[in-house]
Amino acid sequence: EAGVAQSPRYKIIEKRQSVAFWCNPISGHATLYWYQQILGQGPKLLIQFQNNGVVDDSQLPKDRFSAERLKGVDSTLKIQPAKLEDSAVYLCASSDQYEQYFGPGTRLTVT
Amino acid sequence: GENVEQHPSTLSVQEGDSAVIKCTYSDSASNYFPWYKQELGKGPQLIIDIRSNVGEKKDQRIAVTLNKTAKHFSLHITETQPEDSAVYFCATEMGGADGLTFGKGTHLIIQP
Repeated sequence: EAGVAQSPRYKIIEKRQSVAFWCNPISGHATLYWYQQILGQGPKLLIQFQNNGVVDDSQLPKDRFSAERLKGVDSTLKIQPAKLEDSAVYLCASSDQYEQYFGPGTRLTVT
Repeated sequence: GENVEQHPSTLSVQEGDSAVIKCTYSDSASNYFPWYKQELGKGPQLIIDIRSNVGEKKDQRIAVTLNKTAKHFSLHITETQPEDSAVYFCATEMGGADGLTFGKGTHLIIQP
């Protein structure tokens, strides 16, 4: 069974620029999550989708972050404009019910 | 919201010895408790999990114990091997495929 795919794996941008990350979940998983993992910390939930609807985006900084999941499969997370404190690994996970399976993440560096 | 505390932040053990990592949580509504292993440059990998109706679960060298009354759960790794070296995270969830709340992680170092 193929795992969660993410791209790109690495991205370096300057502050105030925009960036987008892509995620393809495990086939058949209805629930998709985006987490932010700052160096030395555990992942923090940004947004959760059930099919193509948002379940929880209470921790998403909506003034600069946006996410969508068209057709209930792939998802994109966008940051515009980026700040220095957005430097982190952005992890996508998918779930069939309880167990969440994570992708390799995208390491974002904002300079 | 939920708060998960994880200890220790770093744990160094001799190869072959046992390792124990402990977590406490604040929200009594939490009912799912997974443990993840994260190697450098990779995403977290689920290694074992336990639900609130069970006190202990074991899978080969790995076990998890849960005390719902005291709101703490622990990861036990026996006969540690060099490939066990990684960062381990505990997490909690309210159930029903909600988002996870993670601890800050434990860097486990296996000394040869």
